[in-house]
Amino acid sequence: DSGVTQTPKHLITATGQRVTLRCSPRSGDLSVYWYQQSLDQGLQFLIQYYNGEERAKGNILERFSAQQFPDLHSELNLSSLELGDSALYFCASSVRGNDGELFFGEGSRLTVL
Amino acid sequence: DQQVKQNSPSLSVQEGRISILNCDYTNSMFDYFLWYKKYPAEGPTFLISISSIKDKNEDGRFTVFLNKSAKHLSLHIVPSQPGDSAVYFCAASARNRGSEKLVFGKGTKLTVNP
Repeated sequence: DSGVTQTPKHLITATGQRVTLRCSPRSGDLSVYWYQQSLDQGLQFLIQYYNGEERAKGNILERFSAQQFPDLHSELNLSSLELGDSALYFCASSVRGNDGELFFGEGSRLTVL
Repeated sequence: DQQVKQNSPSLSVQEGRISILNCDYTNSMFDYFLWYKKYPAEGPTFLISISSIKDKNEDGRFTVFLNKSAKHLSLHIVPSQPGDSAVYFCAASARNRGSEKLVFGKGTKLTVNP
């Protein structure tokens, strides 16, 4: 158990819909990262937050957005969903954001039909 | 453009033998490298790391080697055990450049046969 909690574990929805994925980092971790893993792809970095502020942005689509709340939990919002958005979405956390080692949650599997 | 490449999608070895997983990178700004292991239905878990100031780091059965001139690193598992069967991801970051994100390869699926 990494201490990072992601909900929901599985989600099935239709094209055009909007979903929210939630992540609770390890206790004491200030930095949260979101990664996407599509079929046969590695983990693609989407976005990082540190203590409520956006720290780095990767290949995140404009239809996607995220935020980190004062209690340090984070949400990833995916809108106008397309078939190609079907993937595993991982959240990870680290203490100061520059430790190198990230602790990952079990992921949220999104299926868009 | 893949900055971290794991060219072998899969590897099969016998229990007790050595497993060697390879990783190449293209970004010369990377200065910190990690290996993660992932079992099905679980998130990746940290295995071992190496800073660019070193060329070898060892932790029990796991050793990571870094060849900066070749932009290549490898993970050696000796002896391999059936419980090591998992997908192994290589990752890199440019910490000295202030980048905290990890760039991952596509992974290598290791199967250790009893």
